[in-house]
Amino acid sequence: DGGITQSPKYLFRKEGQNVTLSCEQNLNHDAMYWYRQDPGQGLRLIYYSQIVNDFQKGDIAEGYSVSREKKESFPLTVTSAQKNPTAFYLCASRLGTGAQNIQYFGAGTRLSVL
Amino acid sequence: SQKIEQNSEALNIQEGKTATLTCNYTNYSPAYLQWYRQDPGRGPVFLLLIRENEKEKRKERLKVTFDTTLKQSLFHITASQPADSATYLCAPTNQAGTALIFGKGTTLSVSS
Repeated sequence: DGGITQSPKYLFRKEGQNVTLSCEQNLNHDAMYWYRQDPGQGLRLIYYSQIVNDFQKGDIAEGYSVSREKKESFPLTVTSAQKNPTAFYLCASRLGTGAQNIQYFGAGTRLSVL
Repeated sequence: SQKIEQNSEALNIQEGKTATLTCNYTNYSPAYLQWYRQDPGRGPVFLLLIRENEKEKRKERLKVTFDTTLKQSLFHITASQPADSATYLCAPTNQAGTALIFGKGTTLSVSS
């Protein structure tokens, strides 16, 4: 099956702990994205990467870090500096630009604080 | 700053009626506008894209309009069904298309 795979589906974080959310795609897309979704807030962009070994901060990057060592993978680390990490995290990849700027999303990871 | 507003957080209609959802944007001149559907606990799924020079686009029971003068897109679902119940997100897009900005969404509930 082609698509975006996020794992785990549910994740719990203890105080002071860093946790990493996995995102893998087999769509051969160059660009990948991480969004955070809170109730009533819509989707907010955390980080995006347009090519391997390059990434840019989105609107709410503080307390998060990413890497893009492989085209297929774009993991997100929620660091202990993120004081309010409880949210639904969505990873996406992009088909192309212009009229091809259509995003394909994973099923999401729900992160909670213990 | 760029702002996207979707007309209401929730819309309740009866089965068989036409649902109309509104997306307004300010401080932005998008070349395209996209609509996505999101079910609870799932990621959004792309539905339709309309270009700035297109007035209307249709796909089965879905119809989208794009008025660049009013800075508004309307999303219609005709002959609505309970299975259409979901949250619908609009996303204006520029030509470069580096990142999408999503509206907060409108949650549609269709009752039988």
